[in-house]
This record gives sequence, structure tokens and C-alpha cells, in this order.
Amino acid sequence: GAVVSQHPSRVICKSGTSVKIECRSLDFQATTMFWYRQFPKKSLMLMATSNEGSKATYEQGVEKDKFLINHASLTLSTLTVTSAHPEDSSFYICSARGWRRAGTGELFFGEGSRLTVL
Amino acid sequence: QKEVEQNSGPLSVPEGAIASLNCTYSDRGSQSFFWYRQYSGKSPELIMSIYSNGDKEDGRFTAQLNKASQYVSLLIRDSQPSDSATYLCAVNKAAGNKLTFGGGTRVLVKP
Repeated sequence: GAVVSQHPSRVICKSGTSVKIECRSLDFQATTMFWYRQFPKKSLMLMATSNEGSKATYEQGVEKDKFLINHASLTLSTLTVTSAHPEDSSFYICSARGWRRAGTGELFFGEGSRLTVL
Repeated sequence: QKEVEQNSGPLSVPEGAIASLNCTYSDRGSQSFFWYRQYSGKSPELIMSIYSNGDKEDGRFTAQLNKASQYVSLLIRDSQPSDSATYLCAVNKAAGNKLTFGGGTRVLVKP
């Protein structure tokens, strides 16, 4: 099946620093990628939709200046958490849609990145 | 009303039994339905996808879809301890490409 790779898997940073997370589709081109956030024992919360070559679409309540998304190529999207604070500590997961047949694309997830802000 | 609802569990089943998970959704125009399995500390992995009414079987897993009643279920036959995880139901709404996830059902398979 389709493979989505995410890096880094774990990152610990000091409050006030910025952290970049990469998401790559390894065996298919992804014009659209999705960034999710998950708190412990909670479900996935969609943060934004990353569109190749254009601006990301953010969900209500998600600060676009806080969570910068860049989708520069068909296989790479990045999420940068700017000026991170302890409340930004979470599990961030990217996903991309792999199309096995038109209109029914299945979503494949990266391995996730656990961010801890001290 | 939540868009996609699941019983949070935990659903405790003995090894070898059938685990039955249910999911209801609110958007009647939803087209695609997915079940994901998520182990603690890991990202979700796709188990099943279903697009039309009826049953779809894949190994020990069977997905059932009933669009008229707006529910989708997952059966796990011959449950194994390795099946212990949280199972997420996801629905692709008619408009747009976004998947909406339920809160997940935690399954515990006891040896």
C-alpha cells in the first residue's frame, strides 16, 4: 500500500523555539496532505489541509501563523510549530490520500511526531 | 450531535471471540467509510474501507455498512491479544475531501 513517512518521530525543544516536521509520500504523488493533532486518549483533530503549490486551508480555531504549513512539492509537506509553548506538546500526524480508484481515496498516515515543549 | 460517534469502550472480549464495533454518522450524504486501528503511541493504520451497503470481508475483519440507518460496523473474528487497540471510524463527507473521525473504541482482548 501507499507509504507516508514522517520525520522526526520525537522532538523535545525549549519553549520559544520553532520546530519543523516533514511529511513525505514515498510511492505516490500527493497533491493534498492533511495535518492532524492528537492529545492523549483523544481522537484525531484535523488542523489543516495542505495543498501543493498553494496556501493551506486551516480548520476553525487553528492559528495559521502559529502552525506554518508548506507544500512545496507533490511529495513533501512541512509543518512548522513556531514559538512553541508547553501547550503545543502533542502528537502530530500527517496523512496523504492514495487513490486506488477515482473518488474513493484512502487516507494513509505517517508515523507521527511526538512534540514535547519544555 | 457529533458527526461521527463511537462508543469509547473499553470493549473487553475473550481471546477467540468476536469483537463487534459500531459507528454512526450524521451526514446522510457521506460516501466513503473507513476503519483504522491505532496502537498506543502509534499513528492509525487502515484496516478496512467500505463504500456500498452490505458486508465486506477481509481476513478476520468484516465491515458492514447501512446507509439508510447511517451506521457502519466492524467485526473482528477470532480476536487475538494483538488486536487490542483503539479502532477509529472515519467518514468521508459528500462535500470536500476531509475525513471526519469518531472518538475511537478501545478494544481489549484478554487471553
